[in-house]
Amino acid sequence: GQQVMQIPQYQHVQEGEDFTTYCNSSTTLSNIQWYKQRPGGHPVFLIQLVKSGEVKKQKRLTFQFGEAKKNSSLHITATQTTDVGTYFCAVVYGNKLVFGSGTILRVKS
Amino acid sequence: KAGVTQTPRYLIKTRGQQVTLSCSPISGHRSVSWYQQTPGQGLQFLFEYFSETQRNKGNFPGRFSGRQFSNSRSEMNVSTLELGDSALYLCASSLDSSNNSPLHFGNGTRLTVT
Repeated sequence: GQQVMQIPQYQHVQEGEDFTTYCNSSTTLSNIQWYKQRPGGHPVFLIQLVKSGEVKKQKRLTFQFGEAKKNSSLHITATQTTDVGTYFCAVVYGNKLVFGSGTILRVKS
Repeated sequence: KAGVTQTPRYLIKTRGQQVTLSCSPISGHRSVSWYQQTPGQGLQFLFEYFSETQRNKGNFPGRFSGRQFSNSRSEMNVSTLELGDSALYLCASSLDSSNNSPLHFGNGTRLTVT
């Protein structure tokens, strides 16, 4: 079964609009990682969150880890065409790093 | 520092054949993980190797196997290929266990089974 639910599956935004993807787990997580995969490329590590309620920023990207460590979000402010790709969260489940199903982001210029 | 190198980049095989994929991790990385990526199933964990030992295995049939050498290079083998094995196979290395260390992915091997 799926250990982590990621939503939405797909989002198409106008350039300049914001974007958010969410990951939800039924169990408490030790940490959560986020990756980005450009079309035709491979996943690239973005960040790891460890602490309850943690918020980290990378330029226009804001990552949050929920207080209960069961959910996380990635928010992009004012999307650009360079943001297109699939964003994955990854969590440890059964001692394995398991990836969410990903959110595909398309940006209309 | 060189990144993760996977060979070959593309492979076409027929049903029933077997295939071996190779992965060279980033220098100094001891953990190598393998994932299968398909449009319908996303990124599915195959196995993880650390210091030549398989640490974890995903829910794949026994036709999928792997190994790691003393220099941390890894290979995965798929025997008796099926059409459904067509996928992008990604290798990723990390300094330590993938549970805590970021994964660095290679460009993958695109396998097509006809």
